Amino acid sequence: GEEVAQTPKHLVRGEGQKAKLYCAPIKGHSYVFWYQQVLKNEFKFLISFQNENVFDETGMPKERFSAKCLPNSPCSLEIQATKLEDSAVYFCASSQGSRIMNTEAFFGQGTRLTVV
Amino acid sequence: AQKITQTQPGMFVQEKEAVTLDCTYDTSDQSYGLFWYKQPSSGEMIFLIYQGSYDEQNATEGRYSLNFQKARKSANLVISASQLGDSAMYFCAMRGGSGTSYGKLTFGQGTILTVHP
Repeated sequence: GEEVAQTPKHLVRGEGQKAKLYCAPIKGHSYVFWYQQVLKNEFKFLISFQNENVFDETGMPKERFSAKCLPNSPCSLEIQATKLEDSAVYFCASSQGSRIMNTEAFFGQGTRLTVV
Repeated sequence: AQKITQTQPGMFVQEKEAVTLDCTYDTSDQSYGLFWYKQPSSGEMIFLIYQGSYDEQNATEGRYSLNFQKARKSANLVISASQLGDSAMYFCAMRGGSGTSYGKLTFGQGTILTVHP
């Protein structure tokens, strides 16, 4: 597609429940990034993929967060046993592979996760 | 490690006037890209403008221009002829060219711009 598609738009989970977010990058884009934005403030990088391979996972709280980008499927970000502090908007972004440094990242609309 | 600093939490401007949003950065990379994004109250991220570290000329895109001063490590966004629809949060971001910063966008804290009629 011509835009990054994130689903669902809103997700409400009770504390301790699992949350799964999806992202379909723009066709032809080989890099996918996940960011967490809390309270409309700065973005926290979580993880990036180059095609289906993890490229950089330095921002992931590994004990509860996991992510995948499998061929012919939307990418996913899963949070096991959600906590109140996980409440945020989760953005997915994709970029073309070549000259990535010189190209903008295209963002999805975000998924607003509310943990109650 | 890369760092982006936006020192203005909020800015106000009169409609039709110009406004400058500040951004300074820190990186050890020789090659990098600088970006500005706009986030309206609806929440989506809109790409505005890009400047490469080796670009000698300041980038311009319509009413947006980027005042790039490499020696000072600053990349300020200038919006000319402000419109009411420019009211939004603005993020400065950097994309690194090597190591773990390669491809990853590092964002500043954002500046909320309010345009008064």
